[in-house]
Amino acid sequence: NAGVTQTPKFQVLKTGQSMTLQCAQDMNHEYMSWYRQDPGMGLRLIHYSVGAGITDQGEVPNGYNVSRSTTEDFPLRLLSAAPSQTSVYFCASSYGHPSYNEQFFGPGTRLTVL
Amino acid sequence: GQQLNQSPQSMFIQEGEDVSMNCTSSSIFNTWLWYKQDPGEGPVLLIALYKAGELTSNGRLTAQFGITRKDSFLNISASIPSDVGIYFCAGHDPGGGGADGLTFGKGTHLIIQP
Repeated sequence: NAGVTQTPKFQVLKTGQSMTLQCAQDMNHEYMSWYRQDPGMGLRLIHYSVGAGITDQGEVPNGYNVSRSTTEDFPLRLLSAAPSQTSVYFCASSYGHPSYNEQFFGPGTRLTVL
Repeated sequence: GQQLNQSPQSMFIQEGEDVSMNCTSSSIFNTWLWYKQDPGEGPVLLIALYKAGELTSNGRLTAQFGITRKDSFLNISASIPSDVGIYFCAGHDPGGGGADGLTFGKGTHLIIQP
C-alpha cells in the first residue's frame, strides 16, 4: 500500500493563478480531509469528506474548492491564488471519523504564492 | 469555535531527560489525540484517549485524558535523539458546532541537545 500520496511536493504560483493539489489513498478509507499548516498555527481544517459525493467545509474553507467523485481521490482546488494561501497543505484519510479511527497523513505540498 | 492551548511552545532538553507537555481546551472534548511530526513529513498518531481519566502508554510515551475533559498531557521518558520533532495535541468536541473535525493545538517543538 502506498498510503496517502500527494502531488506536487512543491509549487510556486503567481497571485491569481489557479491550481489543483492532488490527493489519493489506497486504503479504501471513507473519511478524507485537507489541512493547512502555517508557522505557529498548528493544523487547520479546510474541507473534509465523509464519502464519495459528500464534502463539507472545515474551519478555513474560503478560497478553496473540493470534490470527491471516487473513494480514492480528494483534490483541492485553489481558484485564484493569494499570498495568504502560502502554506504547507496536508491531505489525510481515515476509515471513519478521525476522532475514533487512526488518521493517516500524506507527505504534504509546500505552496508559495508570489 | 474551540480553542486549544498547547504548552510549552518549544523545549530544549538534554538527551536522557524526561519531557512533559500539555493541552487545555475551552470546551469539553470526547477524544484527545497526540501526534508527532518529523521534519518534512506529515503527522503520525502516537496515542489516542477516549475516556476521562484514561492513562495510556506507548513505549516511553504516556498520555492522560484529564478528568475535567478539558485537558490532556503527554510525557516522554528518557528522551533520545529520534524524539526530536513537533508534537501536536488534537481533540474532538461533537457538540461544538461548525465543522465536525479535529481541532489541533499549535504544537510543541522538541529539540534535544547532545
